[in-house]
Amino acid sequence: GQSLEQPSEVTAVEGAIVQINCTYQTSGFYGLSWYQQHDGGAPTFLSYNALDGLEETGRFSSFLSRSDSYGYLLLQELQMKDSASYFCAVGDGGATNKLIFGTGTLLAVQP
Amino acid sequence: EPEVTQTPSHQVTQMGQEVILRCVPISNHLYFYWYRQILGQKVEFLVSFYNNEISEKSEIFDDQFSVERPDGSNFTLKIRSTKLEDSAMYFCASSDADRFHEQYFGPGTRLTVT
Repeated sequence: GQSLEQPSEVTAVEGAIVQINCTYQTSGFYGLSWYQQHDGGAPTFLSYNALDGLEETGRFSSFLSRSDSYGYLLLQELQMKDSASYFCAVGDGGATNKLIFGTGTLLAVQP
Repeated sequence: EPEVTQTPSHQVTQMGQEVILRCVPISNHLYFYWYRQILGQKVEFLVSFYNNEISEKSEIFDDQFSVERPDGSNFTLKIRSTKLEDSAMYFCASSDADRFHEQYFGPGTRLTVT
């Protein structure tokens, strides 16, 4: 089967750094993406790793290790508005590269 | 900034009724998708569409589901005979050929089957 596992909840305080891990087991792989979702709204693309290493986009960074089937999203200088669900997703590399989503991590940022 | 739009935002229907969920993808995108999310669960792929035909579908996308691109802008998901377990948020998404990995999602249609 195909699975992407994430911690269900993470809590952190404003200004802190938090890391959300994702381990995956999929039959195809065309990169690891991260999406943010506020209160059941539209998932919003945050970051993408096609190759091993770190990608930085402002306060957000994402890391991938293909040999370990593992990645993480790093959020720095946390703000209250970062409270949301975060999903990792693997593109399956098929004709339209459908996304296989992880179980999601609910991040609660406290003052 | 271009965005994916969906209508209606909320649809309530009785079991056995047909519903059509509508989406307008980003205009220059070529790949279109429907996903669904049952409350509190992960987002699940339903179907992808390219070049006016279904490219791939999941096990969830059985004979009661169909998709159409009736004109150059709209992309629809039809559920022929709704069941209670079809209650979910349905998201439309689109992507362009150069950035396959970056899918843009619409705000979703919350479908409630009673």
